[in-house]
Amino acid sequence: NAGVTQTPKFQVLKTGQSMTLQCAQDMNHNSMYWYRQDPGMGLRLIYYSASEGTTDKGEVPNGYNVSRLNKREFSLRLESAAPSQTSVYFCASRGNGEKLFFGSGTQLSVL
Amino acid sequence: GDSVTQMEGPVTLSEEAFLTINCTYTATGYPSLFWYVQYPGEGLQLLLKATKADDKGSNKGFEATYRKETTSFHLEKGSVQVSDSAVYFCALSGARGNEKLTFGTGTRLTIIP
Repeated sequence: NAGVTQTPKFQVLKTGQSMTLQCAQDMNHNSMYWYRQDPGMGLRLIYYSASEGTTDKGEVPNGYNVSRLNKREFSLRLESAAPSQTSVYFCASRGNGEKLFFGSGTQLSVL
Repeated sequence: GDSVTQMEGPVTLSEEAFLTINCTYTATGYPSLFWYVQYPGEGLQLLLKATKADDKGSNKGFEATYRKETTSFHLEKGSVQVSDSAVYFCALSGARGNEKLTFGTGTRLTIIP
């Protein structure tokens, strides 16, 4: 049982480059989330999707876009990366209960 | 809006010591409260939760009681082990069961043999 799978695990970008972080879950969950984790700031919600076909902004959406491609997949795109987007990114999903299931994270450095 | 204030870290304890990590919250209504744990190199995983006032969540020897009168959800363990070394996050889910979970800043715990 894979749970929540994120790719890539590590990425280094130059300022201005674009990239997409991929996330997939195999638990048939309706809700999916993207968080970023920064030292001293905990986890902050970037975007979330309550169901297939819907997305909503979280606390820190600027500089990001998302796509809920289908029920399984929820991708996060950085169109023009900035050093302030250096962070660890976590995808999560939630079924009918309140428990979030997290992926193992993507460590992104923007130089 | 909703917020979670968590004990500043890092916290270093000797094996078998008593652990308390403080967490207080601000929210309207009756949120659900959670403790998540993050082991090195991994994503967060749910440690325990409580959904109403005076509920006690427990798991792996950890406990936390939902105290509405003090808006607190402190994490405790009577005798910590080296394997408990991790980052601990307090979190709340909005009273109306909305989609967003609000996290505290995390407390890094290191247990020394």
